[in-house]
Amino acid sequence: IAGITQAPTSQILAAGRRMTLRCTQDMRHNAMYWYRQDLGLGLRLIHYSNTAGTTGKGEVPDGYSVSRANTDDFPLTLASAVPSQTSVYFCASSDSRGGVNNEQFFGPGTRLTVL
Amino acid sequence: AQKITQTQPGMFVQEKEAVTLDCTYDTSDQSYGLFWYKQPSSGEMIFLIYQGSYDEQNATEGRYSLNFQKARKSANLVISASQLGDSAMYFCAMREGRPLSGGYNKLIFGAGTRLAVHP
Repeated sequence: IAGITQAPTSQILAAGRRMTLRCTQDMRHNAMYWYRQDLGLGLRLIHYSNTAGTTGKGEVPDGYSVSRANTDDFPLTLASAVPSQTSVYFCASSDSRGGVNNEQFFGPGTRLTVL
Repeated sequence: AQKITQTQPGMFVQEKEAVTLDCTYDTSDQSYGLFWYKQPSSGEMIFLIYQGSYDEQNATEGRYSLNFQKARKSANLVISASQLGDSAMYFCAMREGRPLSGGYNKLIFGAGTRLAVHP
Protein backbone atom coordinates (compact mmCIF):
# COMPACT_ATOMS: atom_id res chain seq x y z
CA ILE A 1 0.00 0.00 0.00
CA ALA A 2 1.30 3.45 -0.85
CA GLY A 3 -0.65 6.45 0.37
CA ILE A 4 -4.39 6.20 0.93
CA THR A 5 -6.69 3.46 -0.25
CA GLN A 6 -10.47 3.52 -0.29
CA ALA A 7 -12.97 0.75 -0.73
CA PRO A 8 -15.18 0.13 -2.51
CA THR A 9 -14.35 2.03 -5.68
CA SER A 10 -18.03 2.40 -6.40
CA GLN A 11 -21.30 1.14 -4.95
CA ILE A 12 -24.98 1.24 -5.76
CA LEU A 13 -27.05 1.08 -2.61
CA ALA A 14 -30.76 0.85 -1.87
CA ALA A 15 -32.17 3.62 0.29
CA GLY A 16 -32.38 2.65 3.93
CA ARG A 17 -29.42 0.30 3.80
CA ARG A 18 -26.38 0.66 6.01
CA MET A 19 -23.03 1.20 4.30
CA THR A 20 -19.46 1.61 5.48
CA LEU A 21 -16.85 3.22 3.28
CA ARG A 22 -13.36 2.14 4.18
CA CYS A 23 -10.22 4.27 4.23
CA THR A 24 -6.70 3.16 5.10
CA GLN A 25 -3.48 5.15 5.01
CA ASP A 26 0.06 3.91 5.44
CA MET A 27 1.77 7.26 5.93
CA ARG A 28 1.21 7.28 9.71
CA HIS A 29 -0.51 10.65 9.41
CA ASN A 30 -2.19 11.92 12.55
CA ALA A 31 -5.12 13.68 10.91
CA MET A 32 -7.73 12.15 8.61
CA TYR A 33 -10.79 13.53 6.88
CA TRP A 34 -13.87 12.54 4.93
CA TYR A 35 -15.26 14.79 2.20
CA ARG A 36 -18.10 14.51 -0.23
CA GLN A 37 -17.83 16.04 -3.69
CA ASP A 38 -20.93 17.26 -5.45
CA LEU A 39 -21.14 19.10 -8.75
CA GLY A 40 -20.98 22.85 -8.28
CA LEU A 41 -20.24 22.58 -4.57
CA GLY A 42 -16.64 21.44 -4.50
CA LEU A 43 -15.57 19.29 -1.57
CA ARG A 44 -17.34 19.56 1.74
CA LEU A 45 -15.98 18.18 4.98
CA ILE A 46 -18.14 15.51 6.63
CA HIS A 47 -16.06 14.41 9.60
CA TYR A 48 -12.44 14.61 10.65
CA SER A 49 -10.06 13.11 13.19
CA ASN A 50 -7.09 14.91 14.70
CA THR A 51 -5.56 11.72 16.01
CA ALA A 52 -6.50 8.16 16.82
CA GLY A 53 -9.33 8.04 19.32
CA THR A 54 -10.78 11.46 18.52
CA THR A 55 -13.26 12.60 15.88
CA GLY A 56 -15.07 15.81 15.04
CA LYS A 57 -17.91 17.06 12.88
CA GLY A 58 -17.33 18.93 9.69
CA GLU A 59 -19.63 21.03 7.55
CA VAL A 60 -22.12 18.29 6.55
CA PRO A 61 -22.07 15.56 9.25
CA ASP A 62 -25.75 14.61 9.38
CA GLY A 63 -26.43 11.02 8.40
CA TYR A 64 -22.79 10.00 8.74
CA SER A 65 -20.64 8.63 11.53
CA VAL A 66 -16.94 7.85 11.80
CA SER A 67 -14.56 6.07 14.13
CA ARG A 68 -10.79 6.18 14.56
CA ALA A 69 -9.70 3.12 16.46
CA ASN A 70 -6.12 3.35 15.18
CA THR A 71 -3.89 5.66 13.17
CA ASP A 72 -4.33 3.96 9.83
CA ASP A 73 -8.09 3.41 9.45
CA PHE A 74 -10.94 5.89 9.29
CA PRO A 75 -14.21 4.27 8.17
CA LEU A 76 -17.27 6.33 7.28
CA THR A 77 -20.68 4.81 7.98
CA LEU A 78 -24.04 5.74 6.54
CA ALA A 79 -26.51 4.25 9.02
CA SER A 80 -29.54 4.49 6.73
CA ALA A 81 -28.65 5.76 3.27
CA VAL A 82 -30.82 8.33 1.50
CA PRO A 83 -30.68 9.44 -2.16
CA SER A 84 -29.21 12.82 -1.20
CA GLN A 85 -26.11 10.95 -0.07
CA THR A 86 -25.37 10.04 -3.67
CA SER A 87 -21.93 11.56 -4.15
CA VAL A 88 -18.24 10.90 -4.57
CA TYR A 89 -16.55 10.43 -1.21
CA PHE A 90 -12.92 11.25 -0.61
CA CYS A 91 -10.78 10.29 2.33
CA ALA A 92 -7.71 12.40 3.06
CA SER A 93 -4.91 12.65 5.60
CA SER A 94 -2.32 15.17 6.75
CA ASP A 95 0.47 15.44 9.24
CA SER A 96 2.65 18.15 10.69
CA ARG A 97 5.74 16.18 9.68
CA GLY A 98 4.92 17.21 6.12
CA GLY A 99 6.03 20.70 6.98
CA VAL A 100 4.14 23.86 7.80
CA ASN A 101 1.92 23.42 4.79
CA ASN A 102 0.24 20.34 6.23
CA GLU A 103 -1.27 19.67 2.83
CA GLN A 104 -3.83 16.94 2.66
CA PHE A 105 -3.23 13.78 0.67
CA PHE A 106 -6.32 12.26 -0.91
CA GLY A 107 -7.49 8.76 -1.64
CA PRO A 108 -8.90 7.80 -5.05
CA GLY A 109 -12.52 8.29 -3.99
CA THR A 110 -15.64 6.14 -3.71
CA ARG A 111 -18.56 6.79 -6.02
CA LEU A 112 -21.78 6.03 -4.13
CA THR A 113 -25.23 5.95 -5.66
CA VAL A 114 -28.26 5.63 -3.40
CA LEU A 115 -31.46 4.62 -5.15
CA ALA B 1 -21.31 33.84 2.55
CA GLN B 2 -18.93 31.89 0.39
CA LYS B 3 -15.55 31.52 1.98
CA ILE B 4 -13.85 30.52 -1.26
CA THR B 5 -15.14 31.79 -4.58
CA GLN B 6 -14.03 30.51 -7.94
CA THR B 7 -15.95 32.56 -10.46
CA GLN B 8 -14.92 30.66 -13.58
CA PRO B 9 -16.83 27.39 -13.96
CA GLY B 10 -14.88 26.65 -17.14
CA MET B 11 -11.80 27.98 -18.90
CA PHE B 12 -10.17 27.28 -22.25
CA VAL B 13 -6.54 27.83 -23.13
CA GLN B 14 -4.36 27.08 -26.10
CA GLU B 15 -1.50 24.69 -25.56
CA LYS B 16 1.75 26.45 -24.58
CA GLU B 17 -0.05 29.58 -23.45
CA ALA B 18 -0.40 30.77 -19.87
CA VAL B 19 -3.71 30.74 -18.03
CA THR B 20 -4.90 32.27 -14.77
CA LEU B 21 -7.54 30.60 -12.61
CA ASP B 22 -9.24 32.97 -10.21
CA CYS B 23 -9.80 32.44 -6.50
CA THR B 24 -11.02 34.91 -3.92
CA TYR B 25 -11.43 34.16 -0.26
CA ASP B 26 -13.08 35.59 2.80
CA THR B 27 -11.65 35.33 6.28
CA SER B 28 -11.14 37.52 9.31
CA ASP B 29 -8.15 35.49 10.47
CA GLN B 30 -4.71 37.05 10.09
CA SER B 31 -3.08 33.66 9.76
CA TYR B 32 -4.37 31.34 7.05
CA GLY B 33 -3.18 29.17 4.21
CA LEU B 34 -4.27 28.81 0.62
CA PHE B 35 -4.00 25.64 -1.42
CA TRP B 36 -4.60 24.64 -4.99
CA TYR B 37 -5.50 21.10 -5.98
CA LYS B 38 -5.86 19.53 -9.41
CA GLN B 39 -8.43 16.84 -10.17
CA PRO B 40 -7.92 15.12 -13.54
CA SER B 41 -10.67 13.10 -15.17
CA SER B 42 -9.40 10.02 -13.34
CA GLY B 43 -10.72 11.61 -10.14
CA GLU B 44 -7.78 11.81 -7.77
CA MET B 45 -6.95 15.06 -5.98
CA ILE B 46 -3.40 16.27 -6.51
CA PHE B 47 -1.85 18.99 -4.36
CA LEU B 48 -0.22 21.68 -6.48
CA ILE B 49 0.86 24.69 -4.47
CA TYR B 50 0.54 26.43 -1.11
CA GLN B 51 0.65 30.06 0.00
CA GLY B 52 0.77 31.14 3.62
CA SER B 53 -0.79 34.43 4.61
CA TYR B 54 2.51 35.69 5.99
CA ASP B 55 4.58 34.62 3.00
CA GLU B 56 6.03 37.71 1.42
CA GLN B 57 6.74 36.15 -1.93
CA ASN B 58 4.32 34.45 -4.27
CA ALA B 59 4.62 30.69 -4.18
CA THR B 60 5.98 28.89 -7.22
CA GLU B 61 6.18 25.19 -8.06
CA GLY B 62 7.50 24.50 -11.53
CA ARG B 63 4.95 25.78 -14.04
CA TYR B 64 2.55 26.74 -11.26
CA SER B 65 2.64 30.05 -9.48
CA LEU B 66 0.23 31.68 -7.11
CA ASN B 67 -0.57 35.35 -7.60
CA PHE B 68 -1.28 36.30 -4.00
CA GLN B 69 -2.90 39.69 -3.48
CA LYS B 70 -3.63 39.89 0.21
CA ALA B 71 -5.43 43.23 0.20
CA ARG B 72 -7.79 41.97 -2.49
CA LYS B 73 -8.09 38.56 -0.82
CA SER B 74 -7.25 36.80 -4.02
CA ALA B 75 -5.02 33.81 -4.67
CA ASN B 76 -5.06 33.16 -8.38
CA LEU B 77 -3.29 30.15 -9.86
CA VAL B 78 -1.14 30.83 -12.90
CA ILE B 79 -0.17 27.93 -15.12
CA SER B 80 2.56 28.80 -17.60
CA ALA B 81 3.14 26.99 -20.88
CA SER B 82 -0.07 24.94 -20.68
CA GLN B 83 0.08 21.29 -21.62
CA LEU B 84 -2.69 18.94 -22.71
CA GLY B 85 -2.24 17.10 -19.42
CA ASP B 86 -3.25 20.24 -17.54
CA SER B 87 -6.86 19.68 -18.59
CA ALA B 88 -8.62 19.04 -15.28
CA MET B 89 -10.73 20.53 -12.51
CA TYR B 90 -8.83 22.91 -10.26
CA PHE B 91 -9.86 23.62 -6.70
CA CYS B 92 -8.80 26.47 -4.48
CA ALA B 93 -8.96 25.79 -0.73
CA MET B 94 -8.29 27.74 2.45
CA ARG B 95 -7.20 26.83 5.95
CA GLU B 96 -8.32 29.44 8.45
CA GLY B 97 -5.92 29.99 11.30
CA ARG B 98 -2.56 28.38 11.93
CA PRO B 99 -1.92 24.70 11.32
CA LEU B 100 -2.98 22.86 14.43
CA SER B 101 -0.76 20.46 16.29
CA GLY B 102 -0.61 17.03 14.75
CA GLY B 103 -1.06 18.41 11.27
CA TYR B 104 -4.80 18.83 11.36
CA ASN B 105 -5.97 21.25 8.71
CA LYS B 106 -9.61 22.12 8.22
CA LEU B 107 -9.89 23.10 4.58
CA ILE B 108 -12.69 24.97 2.88
CA PHE B 109 -12.91 24.33 -0.85
CA GLY B 110 -14.24 26.38 -3.71
CA ALA B 111 -16.58 24.95 -6.33
CA GLY B 112 -13.74 24.49 -8.80
CA THR B 113 -12.82 25.58 -12.32
CA ARG B 114 -12.69 23.16 -15.21
CA LEU B 115 -9.74 23.89 -17.47
CA ALA B 116 -9.57 22.60 -21.02
CA VAL B 117 -6.28 22.86 -22.90
CA HIS B 118 -6.65 22.83 -26.66
CA PRO B 119 -3.89 21.71 -29.05
